[in-house]
Amino acid sequence: GENVEQHPSTLSVQEGDSAVIKCTYSDSASNYFPWYKQELGKRPQLIIDIRSNVGEKKDQRIAVTLNKTAKHFSLHITETQPEDSAVYFCAAAPGGYQKVTFGTGTKLQVIP
Amino acid sequence: GAVVSQHPSWVICKSGTSVKIECRSLDFQATTMFWYRQFPKQSLMLMATSNEGSKATYEQGVEKDKFLINHASLTLSTLTVTSAHPEDSSFYICSARTPWEGGQETQYFGPGTRLLVL
Repeated sequence: GENVEQHPSTLSVQEGDSAVIKCTYSDSASNYFPWYKQELGKRPQLIIDIRSNVGEKKDQRIAVTLNKTAKHFSLHITETQPEDSAVYFCAAAPGGYQKVTFGTGTKLQVIP
Repeated sequence: GAVVSQHPSWVICKSGTSVKIECRSLDFQATTMFWYRQFPKQSLMLMATSNEGSKATYEQGVEKDKFLINHASLTLSTLTVTSAHPEDSSFYICSARTPWEGGQETQYFGPGTRLLVL
């Protein structure tokens, strides 16, 4: 089955700086890569996703890149704000969008 | 985005009792729902895939007789934790997959149910 690794497990940045979270996956059949933000005690919220026919996608301060050859994808948050503090999960799903496999999570702390 | 509700949000029960958790897609029909379990400071672990009108598909290591899943309609899936024990205490989250539209599907999560077994 799919195995998704995520780094780093914790990340502290100063407000206004950028944050980068990296993930790798094992199943070459995966072609859908969502990113979720989870605040303490709440549900995961989809913040951005990318499909394998695209190498990069951007939505305001958030961008995701995908390298299918190397089987890795990254989340980039620019101009970080305190409200960006949360746990972020990457995930991967195979063709036909079956079950999603989650990474181990990154706890991001944005220091004011 | 689509709305998925979950009930109850909190449940405390005695060891040995059964607990039922409901997951509803409020504004779309979901042929597939997923049930996850999340322990503190850990990732979401898929327990089972719930398909409307058929048996659920359980992940390796998940006891199907302990975690009963019923997906009786296109908007409702239920998870019953039978004979609950303290080690079953966790955050249970469901998700529902939107229909295939425009070449895309998306998975939306319910708010979760926190289960505490005494």
